[in-house]
Amino acid sequence: LAKTTQPISMDSYEGQEVNITCSHNNIATNDYITWYQQFPSQGPRFIIQGYKTKVTNEVASLFIPADRKSSTLSLPRVSLSDTAVYYCLVGENSGGYQKVTFGTGTKLQVIP
Amino acid sequence: SQTIHQWPATLVQPVGSPLSLECTVEGTSNPNLYWYRQAAGRGLQLLFYSVGIGQISSEVPQNLSASRPQDRQFILSSKKLLLSDSGFYLCAWANWGNIQYFGAGTRLSVL
Repeated sequence: LAKTTQPISMDSYEGQEVNITCSHNNIATNDYITWYQQFPSQGPRFIIQGYKTKVTNEVASLFIPADRKSSTLSLPRVSLSDTAVYYCLVGENSGGYQKVTFGTGTKLQVIP
Repeated sequence: SQTIHQWPATLVQPVGSPLSLECTVEGTSNPNLYWYRQAAGRGLQLLFYSVGIGQISSEVPQNLSASRPQDRQFILSSKKLLLSDSGFYLCAWANWGNIQYFGAGTRLSVL
């Protein structure tokens, strides 16, 4: 089970691009990287998932270097509503049961 | 589309009382189902997971139990609640791609 490490907290001003990096040095060949967002008193919400290079959707981009030992979630032009905890998870994308661990995540505070 | 229902939203229970939290999923079949607990300011702790009816695996020994009587129904129970059982309980389901989709959660306060 690949362990992930991410910063405990980050601050950003409104309108800026925010990059949150996650380290996963022992990622396995079949593992995918998944990011979730959690607001207070709500369940986590899926943001984006990727395997290698770059993935982009309407919410965020995910950059994964060739060695896949880290990944960066990029949030363009953040607003106050992006203040939340962001979790990076690593695990297989192959059905069945896959144990994944939600750590403490990165608490992003967007400042006006 | 798939939806997940979890209730109640909040619950206040005395120490020693029983507990039953229910979670149901619509719009999918044979999902993986999960129960998590989150203490204030902490990450999510996986309590139970299920890959099918009647198949329950426990991640953390405690006085809680889980059951899956139907394909899309997952129940978290306790015979006697402890103060330490207080927390935010989340149910989730996963599709073939193992992306987890969470319910709204139940805030449990044991007094």
